[in-house]
Amino acid sequence: GESVGLHLPTLSVQEGDNSIINCAYSNSASDYFIWYKQESGKGPQFIIDIRSNMDKRQGQRVTVLLNKTVKHLSLQIAATQPGDSAVYFCGGATNKLIFGTGTLLAVQP
Amino acid sequence: DTEVTQTPKHLVMGMTNKKSLKCEQHMGHRAMYWYKQKAKKPPELMFVYSYEKLSINESVPSRFSPECPNSSLLNLHLHALQPEDSALYLCASSQVTANNSPLHFGNGTRLTVT
Repeated sequence: GESVGLHLPTLSVQEGDNSIINCAYSNSASDYFIWYKQESGKGPQFIIDIRSNMDKRQGQRVTVLLNKTVKHLSLQIAATQPGDSAVYFCGGATNKLIFGTGTLLAVQP
Repeated sequence: DTEVTQTPKHLVMGMTNKKSLKCEQHMGHRAMYWYKQKAKKPPELMFVYSYEKLSINESVPSRFSPECPNSSLLNLHLHALQPEDSALYLCASSQVTANNSPLHFGNGTRLTVT
């Protein structure tokens, strides 16, 4: 089967620090990976994606790293802000997108 | 605001009721999805429509019946639900397939079955 899981369920960081959220996946056939942010009462919001032929992709304040050797995905958020507080889900896709278990990011002022 | 619109936002129904959840997108996407999300859990895939045809059914009970009337609309018909079906039901769309472009989600319908 296909599963995507996270190492830590909760991450607490100070405002202004960098955050790193990790994710492990089991299906080596996954060829597309994606990170979502979900705030309370809302649907998941797309953050950044990466294809399996890449190992790094940068966006605005966010970077996704993919290590296919150890089937590991991470999301780095630079200069974390209170508005970044949310649950973050990774996902891996073949013909369907399967989500990992989620990490709650709590930003302390 | 999301580009995927779901109605209603909240729904309370009894176990003998019949109701429908609606989803609409006008981004020209050709794939549409239903996910179910329980509290503090990730969204779980239920159905995938590709070019208005059902392409994936994740062994969902028949009391959930999806329908895709056209490329912009997706419905989920509900009948004889159980209290454990209470959850947030999320609709999403993507340009083509799930491994080709990101899914865009609506804000969901919060369903309570009494």
